[in-house]
Amino acid sequence: GNSVTQMEGPVTLSEEAFLTINCTYTATGYPSLFWYVQYPGEGLQLLLKATKADDKGSNKGFEATYRKETTSFHLEKGSVQVSDSAVYFCALTGSGGSNYKLTFGKGTLLTVNP
Amino acid sequence: GAGVSQSPRYKVAKRGQDVALRCDPISGHVSLFWYQQALGQGPEFLTYFQNEAQLDKSGLPSDRFFAERPEGSVSTLKIQRTQQEDSAVYLCASSFQGGGYNEQFFGPGTRLTVL
Repeated sequence: GNSVTQMEGPVTLSEEAFLTINCTYTATGYPSLFWYVQYPGEGLQLLLKATKADDKGSNKGFEATYRKETTSFHLEKGSVQVSDSAVYFCALTGSGGSNYKLTFGKGTLLTVNP
Repeated sequence: GAGVSQSPRYKVAKRGQDVALRCDPISGHVSLFWYQQALGQGPEFLTYFQNEAQLDKSGLPSDRFFAERPEGSVSTLKIQRTQQEDSAVYLCASSFQGGGYNEQFFGPGTRLTVL
């Protein structure tokens, strides 16, 4: 079945540091890949997505590239802010008949200190 | 333009009690999903509705779990004879369509604690 493995946290950075959160996946066919973010006290929100190989998703300074050859979708940001402190989830939807079903990683807690 | 809402936000139940969790999706969204999120884990799929039809209930952990969406809008997740292992956050999501590339919009969740 489908699975997502992401870097375990917590990750603590200083403001303006570079962020990478690693994510790799196992899936048959051509999944769509997502990063969701959960800010404290709020629901999950879609941060970015990519639906085919070599696509780059980007939003709010974050970006991730769909790498089929390495089955990866690492999240990066060049300069984090305190307001980026949240839990980040890598996720995928598979191809085929059950392509509506999101499979999530365990989440990575990011804390950014001023 | 309200988002997905869920009620109650918090529920404490004694083991053996029945609970009902409600989800109000975004108006006009055809697809509705329930996920279960255990502490420190990512959400796990429970069930999927397209309008009033429950097309996939493969993630429901036991026959104590039952979900419905009778008029194709509001959905209720019911758990009978709750057990301690049912303690989790239950997330509802909706999307305009059910395809894998369509964004799912999540509610704030209901945190269920079974004593």
